[in-house]
Amino acid sequence: NAGVMQNPRHLVRRRGQEARLRCSPMKGHSHVYWYRQLPEEGLKFMVYLQKENIIDESGMPKERFSAEFPKEGPSILRIQQVVRGDSAAYFCASSPAGAKNEQFFGPGTRLTVL
Amino acid sequence: AQSVTQLGSHVSVSEGALVLLRCNYSSSVPPYLFWYVQYPNQGLQLLLKYTTGATLVKGINGFEAEFKKSETSFHLTKPSAHMSDAAEYFCAVSDRDTGGFKTIFGAGTRLFVKA
Repeated sequence: NAGVMQNPRHLVRRRGQEARLRCSPMKGHSHVYWYRQLPEEGLKFMVYLQKENIIDESGMPKERFSAEFPKEGPSILRIQQVVRGDSAAYFCASSPAGAKNEQFFGPGTRLTVL
Repeated sequence: AQSVTQLGSHVSVSEGALVLLRCNYSSSVPPYLFWYVQYPNQGLQLLLKYTTGATLVKGINGFEAEFKKSETSFHLTKPSAHMSDAAEYFCAVSDRDTGGFKTIFGAGTRLFVKA
């Protein structure tokens, strides 16, 4: 049973470009969560999604960031017009429907903005 | 609002010595409590969690943690450190009232193990 998959593992973008981060949840999991880890800090909650629905996006920056979890395919975290401050590790987690506190984490995508 | 405080950003122990990583939380009701481990350039792995029941929780790799409501603490211990325990450890909480989806992490404690 494969775990949470994230790709790419490393992503380099120049300022102003777009970054797309993908997350495939564990088999049987319908809930996805995105977290951001800045250097030397803990993870910070960004957004919680179910299929085709954003449930809570209280941790998402108001501008340039968006997330989706379509009916088919992986969840996508999109960052438009990246800036150096967006450089971080972005982790995706997934859980089964009835156990939102049982989150399994992916290996993360490390975004570097030049 | 919930918060998590991990005392000590770095902890160094000798191989075979006791490991004690401290975690205190702030919450209006007892939350769900977790400890995760992160090895360099990897994701988080759940060590153990407390949801209900017995307050002493045993996890993987010989770690355990005790939930003390009166002290609002959830310290992580291991009787004898191994070199492979060197990693970053995160204490985390989530809110029971919302089903626990929004996990709040501490800043982390980096554990060094000396030979």
